[in-house]
Amino acid sequence: SAVISQKPSRDICQRGTSLTIQCQVDSQVTMMFWYRQQPGQSLTLIATANQGSEATYESGFVIDKFPISRPNLTFSTLTVSNMSPEDSSIYLCSVDFYQGYTDTQYFGPGTRLTVL
Amino acid sequence: GQQVMQIPQYQHVQEGEDFTTYCNSSTTLSNIQWYKQRPGGHPVFLIQLVKSGEVKKQKRLTFQFGEAKKNSSLHITATQTTDVGTYFCAGSNDYKLSFGAGTTVTVRA
Repeated sequence: SAVISQKPSRDICQRGTSLTIQCQVDSQVTMMFWYRQQPGQSLTLIATANQGSEATYESGFVIDKFPISRPNLTFSTLTVSNMSPEDSSIYLCSVDFYQGYTDTQYFGPGTRLTVL
Repeated sequence: GQQVMQIPQYQHVQEGEDFTTYCNSSTTLSNIQWYKQRPGGHPVFLIQLVKSGEVKKQKRLTFQFGEAKKNSSLHITATQTTDVGTYFCAGSNDYKLSFGAGTTVTVRA
């Protein structure tokens, strides 16, 4: 497994502003993922971030709203742009590890975002 | 796209009793993973099932993967207060996970 950290752990932001969330892993990983978990809900994949290529976004998520960077194999950022109260969620990064003969994902502690 | 259904959404259990949560996929999965999320925490990996009909045990937790690799279950025996949380199944095809809605477990002492 890996040790995954996220910054900030929580934030309260004003409508119309942007917040960049950082995800740091203690080992090199090929694939990193960003999820959103709205209050009391399940996890929804926002995008897959691979180093050296553009992020791949899931249906309903666009780069202009959620730009992602992946400058190296241990770090990624997700920006939530032009925020509205509907963006209030927990944002989680995860990394993919190949164990045995298949892939497993491990999650960071999450960033709890409240938009006023 | 792939959809993973999970029932029940809520499970209220008397301490010491058993319960089961079920997961069904609309498509055949390459593997299924189970996670536990404690209140205020993040999802923590529990186990992965890969083979058709596979059964794995972790102490009081028994995980099964269906023969068609489209359904799975988690059975917990002799529930304890430490079992409180939300249990998610997540179906995998390629490298992406599709999460079920989760079963939120509360325990009556």
